[in-house]
Amino acid sequence: DIQMTQSPSSLSASVGDRVTITCRASQGINTWLAWYQQKPAKAPKSLIYAASSLQSGVPSKFSGNGSGTDFTLTINSLQPEDFATYYCQQYDSFPPTFGGGTKVEIK
Amino acid sequence: EVHLVESGGGLVQPGGSLRLSCTASGFTSSDYAMHWVRQAPGKGLEYVSAIRNNGRDTYYADSVKGRFHISRDNSKRIVFLQMSSLRTEDTAVYYCVKGFKIGLGPTDFDYWGQGTLVTVSS
Repeated sequence: DIQMTQSPSSLSASVGDRVTITCRASQGINTWLAWYQQKPAKAPKSLIYAASSLQSGVPSKFSGNGSGTDFTLTINSLQPEDFATYYCQQYDSFPPTFGGGTKVEIK
Repeated sequence: EVHLVESGGGLVQPGGSLRLSCTASGFTSSDYAMHWVRQAPGKGLEYVSAIRNNGRDTYYADSVKGRFHISRDNSKRIVFLQMSSLRTEDTAVYYCVKGFKIGLGPTDFDYWGQGTLVTVSS
């Protein structure tokens, strides 16, 4: 199975900050990468697919980049509702696998 | 609007059994493979099981192989996860998830249920 490694595992940021989360695959996955946002006691929500395509309804403050093994999720102008845990997931090969998550906390 | 509603979670003793159900609405569920993803308390997401749209192909993570069984009833739009020989490490919220494919190919996921908590404890 492909291993997905996220960094950092957590970060503290202030409202208005720009944050970047990194996801690395153990082997090349082209751009078959998705990002999810999960708030406490809620199900994950799809944000980005194909590494950089925004799901319908997701604000453009979220952006994804990368291909091969290295990917990033950037959140511009962090707002209170953006404080959550973010997961990457590869779907280049079966089974799909998730990164360990990055918790974005309020500084 | 797509909805996935899980039920059947609860407290069970180690070695016991439980059957989870996922009822789908708002889309033609028989056109899609369906998946179960779990999340242990305070932990990340683990892909557990999947079933092809017609039920003929299934997948199980090594951690549950031989103990869990996935099935579906397309006439009732329900997907089941029968869990047996439960262990304390199976304690988690179990999410029913929809992907984009008919079969068991790799996919991302567009809709998740609200989850159902399974607690395995004596």
